[in-house]
Amino acid sequence: KAGVTQTPRYLIKTRGQQVTLSCSPISGHRSVSWYQQTPGQGLQFLFEYFSETQRNKGNFPGRFSGRQFSNSRSEMNVSTLELGDSALYLCASSLGRAVTDTQYFGPGTRLTVL
Amino acid sequence: DAKTTQPPSMDCAEGRAANLPCNHSTISGNEYVYWYRQIHSQGPQYIIHGLKNNETNEMASLIITEDRKSSTLILPHATLRDTAVYYCIVESLRSSNTGKLIFGQGTTLQVKP
Repeated sequence: KAGVTQTPRYLIKTRGQQVTLSCSPISGHRSVSWYQQTPGQGLQFLFEYFSETQRNKGNFPGRFSGRQFSNSRSEMNVSTLELGDSALYLCASSLGRAVTDTQYFGPGTRLTVL
Repeated sequence: DAKTTQPPSMDCAEGRAANLPCNHSTISGNEYVYWYRQIHSQGPQYIIHGLKNNETNEMASLIITEDRKSSTLILPHATLRDTAVYYCIVESLRSSNTGKLIFGQGTTLQVKP
């Protein structure tokens, strides 16, 4: 079974631009969670989508948004990029039926903001 | 959510067992203990989880103390490829926790030849 895939793997943007990252979950998984990882803050939860609805949200500004499509693929958008948004963005998928369903992570998208 | 405490770093000789401790003294009855690891710049990898009983799978064993206030992840025969940051996570069954894992700083395990 194919794992979680994320595209693109690397991205360079400049301040003020916007960016869209994509995540394809494991087949059959309906939940997709997004995380940001930086050297200073570590791994932080952004939001979770299940059946095209945002079900949970972390403490990030409204510049960070996401959506999920009917095939469970998810996109994350960051508008008006700031230098501090440089990070590894990870998505994880799970069955989403129970809180304790195991999350499986993708390889991440490395975003650099110049 | 219960807070976890892990040593920042540990060393282990290749071929020996690696025992990674985690303290979660404020854990409540409905909280599971999860372990993930992250090899440099890759996505975290699920290892194992448990509630009360000890658990074993093809990757590792999880030993949870009877009072559930601490646990130990055991990699029985560590290899150089096990060098990674290991995260111990306590996850609540609260519906507000769906899809949300709270990562601490983890333990950097260095396996040496």
